Parts: sequence; structure tokens; C-alpha cells
Amino acid sequence: GAVVSQHPSWVICKSGTSVKIECRSLDFQATTMFWYRQFPKQSLMLMATSNEGSKATYEQGVEKDKFLINHASLTLSTLTVTSAHPEDSSFYICSAMGDSHTEAFFGQGTRLTVV
Amino acid sequence: GQNIDQPTEMTATEGAIVQINCTYQTSGFNGLFWYQQHAGEAPTFLSYNVLDGLEEKGRFSSFLSRSKGYSYLLLKELQMKDSASYLCAVMDSNYQLIWGAGTKLIIKP
Repeated sequence: GAVVSQHPSWVICKSGTSVKIECRSLDFQATTMFWYRQFPKQSLMLMATSNEGSKATYEQGVEKDKFLINHASLTLSTLTVTSAHPEDSSFYICSAMGDSHTEAFFGQGTRLTVV
Repeated sequence: GQNIDQPTEMTATEGAIVQINCTYQTSGFNGLFWYQQHAGEAPTFLSYNVLDGLEEKGRFSSFLSRSKGYSYLLLKELQMKDSASYLCAVMDSNYQLIWGAGTKLIIKP
């Protein structure tokens, strides 16, 4: 199947700093990318949906100024957690979908710990 | 509103068969997905159904009835490694994925 690479796999940062997470589709063009966060033992929570070249659509309750999403190309989307705080510590997962809409491929996830 | 329902937790015995149900109410329908997620890992794709009927893929099968808003994932010859959460997701008319809360499957020897 198609491959989505997410980097980094884990990151520890100090409170108040910003962290960028990259999501790349390696062998297909991802017209749509989804960003999720997942707390332990809970289901995926959609944060935002981004289509290449346009602004991301954020879910209710997700601060767009805090979670900056860029989807500048068909193979790359980035999520930047700005001014991170300990409550932002979570598992962040990206998912990419091509034009066929028949499958959403997931990245490996990024475990963010803010200290 | 949009809603996906699946059981929170199920327990089954190694070597047996288990069926995980999913019912949905969404704004439009462009397919139903099943994903497997082991603790601490990202979900992995299991199946996609857009037409009514049964799709078989090895030990896993997925069934869809669009008129009933119902799907199930059938796992045969259960193995200990099948212990995981199983997520049902429906793609609505806007091609947005609506996720169920997941079913935690516990396999006992």
C-alpha cells in the first residue's frame, strides 16, 4: 500500500517553544490530509482537514492560531504546535488521502511531550 | 447529526471468530472503512466497503448494508496479535471521515 511518512516519531520540548511535525506522502499525491490527536486510551480526534493549496478547515474547539497547518504541496503537510504547553502533550497522527478517496493512509504518529 | 456506534469492548478466545458491529448515521455516504490500531501506534487500514455485501481479505471480512446503515468486521481464527482497537469510519458526502470511538478487542488464550 501507499506510504505516509511522519516525522519526528517523538519529540520532547520545553513549554513555550514551537514544534513542527511533517507528514509526507511518499508514493502518491495527497489531495487531502487530516491531522488527529489522540489521548491515551481514547479514539482519534480530528483536528483539521487540509486540501492542497488552500487553508485548513479546523474542527470546533481547535485553535487555528495555536495549531498551524500548511499543505503547500501534494506530498507534504506540516502541523506546527506554537507556544506548546504541557496540556498539548499527546499523540499526533496525520492521514493522507488521494483523489480516489478509497483509503486514508496514516503516518506513524508523533508523540509530543511538553515539559 | 452524524453518528457512528460500535461496542466499546469485546472479548474473544484465541482461535475463535468475532464480529464487531458498526452502525452509522451520516450526511451522505462515500464508503466505510475499518482500521486496526494497536496501543501506541497509528491505525492501519483493514478494509473499505462502498457497495453492499461482503468483502473478504484473508482472516478478515467486512460487510456493508447501506439501507440499514450497518457494517461488521469479522475476524476468524483469532490470534493473540489481533488484540487491538478496531475503528469504524464513514466517509460522508463531503469526503470527510467520521470516526467511531473504536472497539477494544481482548483475545484470551
